[in-house]
Amino acid sequence: DTGVSQDPRHKITKRGQNVTFRCDPISEHNRLYWYRQTLGQGPEFLTYFQNEAQLEKSRLLSDRFSAERPKGSFSTLEIQRTEQGDSAMYLCASSLVFEQYFGPGTRLTVT
Amino acid sequence: SQQGEEDPQALSIQEGENATMNCSYKTSINNLQWYRQNSGRGLVHLILIRSNEREKHSGRLRVTLDTSKKSSSLLITASRAADTASYFCATDSGGGSNYKLTFGKGTLLTVNP
Repeated sequence: DTGVSQDPRHKITKRGQNVTFRCDPISEHNRLYWYRQTLGQGPEFLTYFQNEAQLEKSRLLSDRFSAERPKGSFSTLEIQRTEQGDSAMYLCASSLVFEQYFGPGTRLTVT
Repeated sequence: SQQGEEDPQALSIQEGENATMNCSYKTSINNLQWYRQNSGRGLVHLILIRSNEREKHSGRLRVTLDTSKKSSSLLITASRAADTASYFCATDSGGGSNYKLTFGKGTLLTVNP
């Protein structure tokens, strides 16, 4: 059984650079979610896709952030002009119904 | 803002003891879920309890839900060192928004061998 995978696992970038993360959900799951988690906090919801449609975006997702899910399969999360405050773990999850299955996350460090 | 708040923030017990963690939330929900996170890794779904359920069991896990008090508890019986992790409760937003989860800050459980 293949779980949710994320790539890369770690990313170090300089402030002002753009970064893109990829998430491959469990194949039969039509729902996909992105969360951000900082140290000592629980995950915070960023955005939600049902198939290829992005149905909700958090106010945390500023205009520097964009997420896509072409063809309702994998998803990408891009951050433009990164800031030090973007340093966090970015988690992807997928689900059929309510129970969400999380990937291992991408840890972003902005220097 | 965070809907759920876990209590205590940290809990240290000996192997074999039971661990109880509590979660309070603010608004009506459809479901409440508990997740486990080992250090620096993704979250693992443990159990889901629906708003019309009061108690649910899964292996060594027992979850209760009191919607009148907007609270839930997670009991892990006969704890093992491998149970050492952070535990989060997550709630949806009620109504039709049953997909968007709001997590608390978590309880860090340490089980000493």
